Amino acid sequence: DAKTTQPNSMESNEEEPVHLPCNHSTISGTDYIHWYRQLPSQGPEYVIHGLTSNVNNRMASLAIAEDRKSSTLILHRATLRDAAVYYCILRSYNTDKLIFGTGTRLQVFP
Amino acid sequence: GAGVSQSPSNKVTEKGKDVELRCDPISGHTALYWYRQSLGQGLEFLIYFQGNSAPDKSGLPSDRFSAERTGGSVSTLTIQRTQQEDSAVYLCASSSPGTGRSYNEQFFGPGTRLTVL
Repeated sequence: DAKTTQPNSMESNEEEPVHLPCNHSTISGTDYIHWYRQLPSQGPEYVIHGLTSNVNNRMASLAIAEDRKSSTLILHRATLRDAAVYYCILRSYNTDKLIFGTGTRLQVFP
Repeated sequence: GAGVSQSPSNKVTEKGKDVELRCDPISGHTALYWYRQSLGQGLEFLIYFQGNSAPDKSGLPSDRFSAERTGGSVSTLTIQRTQQEDSAVYLCASSSPGTGRSYNEQFFGPGTRLTVL
């Protein structure tokens, strides 16, 4: 399985945008990029996913580099509730299995 | 509607005992996944059931771990002869089928916290 590299932790102030980076230099052409997040004491929840084009949904935006070797999850206005561990995951096209890494712990300050 | 449920929420056992952890997926979800999360760590994939296909057991750490899914719904994860390193939160997730261009997100249960003394 291709690997992802994320910073261990990041900080943000409330109502500011947050850019969470993810490197995946060994990504294959058929790997999808997924983001999940895990709020304290809860199971993970889906955030967004994409293949080549940038994606937007009600929670966040996903910006994918042209060479697909990196991507960035964008939270447009961080809230205290966004404090969580954010996981960037590569999923092969032929399976629904997800291999989680260690993620980025996002702290949001009021 | 009801989400993924797991039982028990907490389980304390003695080293060497067997334990069974239960997962009730969302109704109609054909895919079911087990993960475990040790303290302060990320999620470790254990096993994946998809419909009537043979399960993907590639993440099971040893032959002491096994899982069943009866009738395509409820799943039981069994750990035999538990060891202290088995202490973790065991998470179950389910999803509707979807591969390739179609993807259906995984919905996670609250987990079972297993403590092996």
